[in-house]
Amino acid sequence: SYVLTQPPSVSVAPGQTATITCGGNNIGSKSVHWYQHKPGQAPILVIRYDTDRPSGIPDRFSGSNSGKVATLTVSRLEPGDEADFYCQVWDSNTHLWVFGGGTKLTVL
Amino acid sequence: EVQLVESGGGLVKPGGSLRLSCATSGFNFATHSMNWVRQAPGKGLEWVSSSSWNTDDKYYADSVRGRFTISRDNANNSLYLQMNSLRGDDTALYFCARSDSGGSHRAFDVWGQGTMVTVSS
Repeated sequence: SYVLTQPPSVSVAPGQTATITCGGNNIGSKSVHWYQHKPGQAPILVIRYDTDRPSGIPDRFSGSNSGKVATLTVSRLEPGDEADFYCQVWDSNTHLWVFGGGTKLTVL
Repeated sequence: EVQLVESGGGLVKPGGSLRLSCATSGFNFATHSMNWVRQAPGKGLEWVSSSSWNTDDKYYADSVRGRFTISRDNANNSLYLQMNSLRGDDTALYFCARSDSGGSHRAFDVWGQGTMVTVSS
């Protein structure tokens, strides 16, 4: 089955830039979606189809995808950005959705 | 305003059954694929099942295939998940999520708050 690998945690100071990676075999050929999830709240789609930012998502959130790694970048970090972030792809071989294990973003 | 509200969770014994519901409003339900995603305590998100807008395409995670059934009522804007032969590792918060169109592999652009399912004797 297809596996997405994320770092368990990333810690960055306020005002700086956080980079969260999502690794997978030839992930560059797939569309990657990113979700932000805070405890007790519904997950929020922050990046879809690799780079597209849904309406209402600040332009501090951006995404890229190439080769074996997709990346979510959050710039000008704010304390409110603290959350778990998950990448997701559709595996067309198995017809299954796959989530990465999640990355806990801490704003120091 | 687009809203998804899950219900039907609770405490059930191993081997038992539950039916989850997701009531939706604020959008044309019949034109969107819909999904169930769960999160076990202390764990990450796990996709459970998806249904295309017309139910022609239904997909299940390996962990639930043969035990869970996804269905929808487009006339009543509702999504369902029938869960049978429940096991302890099915204990989780179950989220309903909308796909951003009617296709079978679109991003999940709106989520509910979830309903908790606990499987324990």
